[in-house]
Order: sequence, then C-alpha cells, then structure tokens
Amino acid sequence: AQTVTQSQPEMSVQEAETVTLSCTYDTSESDYYLFWYKQPPSRQMILVIRQEAYKQQNATENRFSVNFQKAAKSFSLKISDSQLGDAAMYFCAYRRNTGTASKLTFGTGTRLQVTL
Amino acid sequence: KAGVTQTPRYLIKTRGQQVTLSCSPISGHRSVSWYQQTPGQGLQFLFEYFSETQRNKGNFPGRFSGRQFSNSRSEMNVSTLELGDSALYLCASSLFPQGRTGALEQYFGPGTRLTVT
Repeated sequence: AQTVTQSQPEMSVQEAETVTLSCTYDTSESDYYLFWYKQPPSRQMILVIRQEAYKQQNATENRFSVNFQKAAKSFSLKISDSQLGDAAMYFCAYRRNTGTASKLTFGTGTRLQVTL
Repeated sequence: KAGVTQTPRYLIKTRGQQVTLSCSPISGHRSVSWYQQTPGQGLQFLFEYFSETQRNKGNFPGRFSGRQFSNSRSEMNVSTLELGDSALYLCASSLFPQGRTGALEQYFGPGTRLTVT
C-alpha cells in the first residue's frame, strides 16, 4: 500500500520569505502523480501544484515549486515570497496512474503560519 | 462555472441515526470521490463513483455507502451513526477517473461537517 509522510506538523515563515515543506512517500509503482493541496481555514481544499512521476522536470506554479526526487521518493514544496494568504494546512497527496481509480492518498498535513 | 457543492454544510445527528450527504459535481464532471477528514485519522478515501458505478472503495465498514445518479450528482449514506463518524466529509469531482491531462485534477467541495452526539 502507498503511504505519504509529512514529518513537519507545523511550520512558520515570515512574509516575503521562502519556506519548504517536506513530503516523502512509499510506493512500488513507477507511474503515479503527486500533488500539494492547500486547505485554508475556510476548509475548501485547493490544488496548489502537481507532478507527474514520468516527468523529470520539477513543476512550477508562480511562487510555488517542487523538488521531486523520484529515487529518494521525496516531494517537497517551496513557497517563495510568502504571503499572508498562504497560511493554511498543506497536504501532500499521491495517486497511482493505473486502472481507473482516482483515489488520493494524503499525508497528515503541515500547518503553515505566515507572520509579519 | 460553479464549483463543487455539498449539502448540507453542517449536520448534527444522534448515535444510531442515519444520515445522507449530497454532492453536486462541477458541470460536465462525471467522477465523484468522497473523503472523510478527522483530526485523528486525517484524510481517508471513502469511495469513488463514475457513470453511476462504484469504481473504488476505501477501508470503511458497510455502514458507509453511496450512489451516483445519471446527472453525476452523488450521495453518501451512513447508517447507525457512531461517535467516531463525526468528521468533515469532502466530495471531489473530476472529468474522468483517469487521464494524463486535465482529467487528473480533482476539485473539492467545501465539505459537510457532521457531528454525532
């Protein structure tokens, strides 16, 4: 079974600074997808960024980028120029790309605080 | 385009009762997945429906069931409620269950907060 581990329950960053959230996963599959989701206090889960395992290039979305190390099964999220609106729970998630299942396996989350 | 909607947003039930939660996916989306979120267990996959058929099921007891209608709207039902069923229930929709572009992304609804007393 696939597992996703987020070892940082809480992180704090000052506004305009950079922060990196860690995620490791375990799978025997070779074709899969990884995601970072953001869940602000309003509770609506929002997709931040996704990475396809067969792509070596790290995904980037504006201030958000990932460091995908397939051999190490590591998938960290870097937030640059942090803003107050980035404060939220961040979940790392895994999805296999075989069969027809859309099941996401989530990590336990990292609560990010952004301070002035 | 309207997002995923879930009703009701909040619900309080008593142990032993049953409850039905509803999810309306984004227009055109045909795949609907359900997740349970609790402080102790985190986010756990319940089941997924596509074309009115359950495609995948998580490790939950048979008290948890669901269905999908021809318009892709989905309902989940929990019978004989237990205190441990108190959770935020999230619904997510996507175009299809699989694919390499666009269809991969799942859009989540705001959730239904269920409290069992």
